[in-house]
Amino acid sequence: QSALTQPASVSGSPGQSITISCIGTSIDIGGYNYVSWYQQYPGKAPKLMIYDVTNRPSGVSNRFSGSKSGNTASLTISGLQAEDEADYYCCSYTSSRTWVFGGGTRLTVL
Amino acid sequence: QVQLVESGGGVVQPGRSLRLSCAASGFIFKSLSLHWVRQAPGKGLEWVAFMTDNGGEKNYADSVKGRFTISRDNSKNMVYLEMNSLRIDDTAVYYCTRNPKFHHNFDYWGQGTLVTVSS
Repeated sequence: QSALTQPASVSGSPGQSITISCIGTSIDIGGYNYVSWYQQYPGKAPKLMIYDVTNRPSGVSNRFSGSKSGNTASLTISGLQAEDEADYYCCSYTSSRTWVFGGGTRLTVL
Repeated sequence: QVQLVESGGGVVQPGRSLRLSCAASGFIFKSLSLHWVRQAPGKGLEWVAFMTDNGGEKNYADSVKGRFTISRDNSKNMVYLEMNSLRIDDTAVYYCTRNPKFHHNFDYWGQGTLVTVSS
């Protein structure tokens, strides 16, 4: 049950776009379209931003989008805003009937 | 509205036990799988355990297998995490969360309860 691999940090200026990658294997990301992404502010519970690779829950801005290619999933945030500064985690269902998270990415809006 | 409220956290010595509870409301509890996810101080999220809607299936992260037990009481809308042989590295905020029907993501989360394992 190795964690998915995310960059520790990314940054961008307001209005720009950034992409966070999430690297897994064939038994998790590559094997299922069950990748989800979570936003977390310090001291708060995570919030679901993307599910089933590309879907946005009701109420989540369309500036957030997800994709997948092979064993790598990605979260793209366009039109960066100051309020997007947070930690982001990817998560995947696995062939062992478990779930695995990425190590998390700290997004800084410059 | 959907609510998940954890309780039972606290300070415990290594090797001892603790039981966490999660009270659910605002949805048909008996129809959904429930999970525990934890986050050590300053660290990332770690999936811990899950149980299906009727309790027929459960699974655990390798790091807690054999020490933690998840259970649920569908008559009380409660899910529990019994933690035995606690270790220093079990120190974390423990979140209760759920899968929406037919999905594998976590759509609602509790506020978390802090477990500190320390001598």
